[in-house]
Amino acid sequence: DTAVSQTPKYLVTQMGNDKSIKCEQNLGHDTMYWYKQDSKKFLKIMFSYNNKELIINETVPNRFSPKSPDKAHLNLHINSLELGDSAVYFCASSPVGEQGTREKLFFGSGTQLSVL
Amino acid sequence: DAKTTQPTSMDCAEGRAANLPCNHSTISGNEYVYWYRQIHSQGPQYIIHGLKNNETNEMASLIITEDRKSSTLILPHATLRDTAVYYCIVVRGSQGNLIFGKGTKLSVKP
Repeated sequence: DTAVSQTPKYLVTQMGNDKSIKCEQNLGHDTMYWYKQDSKKFLKIMFSYNNKELIINETVPNRFSPKSPDKAHLNLHINSLELGDSAVYFCASSPVGEQGTREKLFFGSGTQLSVL
Repeated sequence: DAKTTQPTSMDCAEGRAANLPCNHSTISGNEYVYWYRQIHSQGPQYIIHGLKNNETNEMASLIITEDRKSSTLILPHATLRDTAVYYCIVVRGSQGNLIFGKGTKLSVKP
């Protein structure tokens, strides 16, 4: 069983389109995240949700909107896609726990987004 | 969160121990050291973490110096599948806001 699954694995689309990436975790974790890995391979957090509530919202264009229908799902919607949005997007989850344990994240396998 | 410094790349012979160093000289007393790795085309994978004491699990061992200014991740018997980028991250308990640097690209060779 895949612990954190995200779909699609590859997404190729035109500039200006709206697209979504879905993420589901079956670990029973309360916190979910979206990370972005750019062309230079730097990984950076975009959003964090705890039990369906937004916790972290880094400096991300408001064209990006996370949606959490329940604590097992965190989808990423992107409006008006731009060339610079091309990257690999990773979903992750973690348990809420004591300090020093809640940074044990489980990552999905990534969605490679290519905007043409 | 404290900054970390890691070598850009390292090689290791298959079957030998891989020792990956990390400097975190500005680490605070309540900050933890976490190690992740990212195998090509996959998501990052948690390996191990520690605060002061040395830690061991089924994947690796983590040795933290007494002054906590540096640590070493040890893969006791490296295999080709351990070829990956290894990230050393210092966190204060910021609930998942991990700051990934450039990491160390470990190449395990036959």
